[in-house]
Amino acid sequence: NAGVTQTPKFQVLKTGQSMTLQCAQDMNHNSMYWYRQDPGMGLRLIYYSASEGTTDKGEVPNGYNVSRLNKREFSLRLESAAPSQTSVYFCASSEVLQVGGYTFGSGTRLTVV
Amino acid sequence: AQKITQTQPGMFVQEKEAVTLDCTYDTSDQSYGLFWYKQPSSGEMIFLIYQGSYDEQNATEGRYSLNFQKARKSANLVISASQLGDSAMYFCAMRGSGGSNYKLTFGKGTLLTVNP
Repeated sequence: NAGVTQTPKFQVLKTGQSMTLQCAQDMNHNSMYWYRQDPGMGLRLIYYSASEGTTDKGEVPNGYNVSRLNKREFSLRLESAAPSQTSVYFCASSEVLQVGGYTFGSGTRLTVV
Repeated sequence: AQKITQTQPGMFVQEKEAVTLDCTYDTSDQSYGLFWYKQPSSGEMIFLIYQGSYDEQNATEGRYSLNFQKARKSANLVISASQLGDSAMYFCAMRGSGGSNYKLTFGKGTLLTVNP
């Protein structure tokens, strides 16, 4: 089925470790996003890519880097994980002028100990 | 900057009754879009309904309708004939225009519980 695929679904890291969250979409969307969800905070934008070759900071970019590898793939990297980065991470994609919603991946539950 | 406010952390409704989930927004953009998403306990984000700022009629999708009051900057979600499966977290979100066109800004959500 068409959609947004995130890997892994679950991950436990030790403080200071690094990891990359992968995201791929097969809907030929131009724009892709990374959000984090924390209890009581809703979803907050970390980084986004309006189109292939561009990336921009969102509301909470500190401690993260992103790469728009191609039109399909948008990865999120934690260089030195901290307990404050324990969260559920969602990748999403959309067309800029699409009437309707964004398509979200199923999420990655990350725990940093 | 855009802001979404959902003032109801939790709501309870009896099965088969209607319920309104509140959402107010703030933006300086003339053109914008408003969204509602459902997040069940399984965690996925499910798109429910969309309202464009220039749409003259309130959006409806099955049992979901959006009560859009532009002057009051409100975009309340109305769920008619609630079902047990409607128990979930509900998020209001908006997308602006121009430099913020690409980004969805979310509220903190309302946890809806449907009682049998």
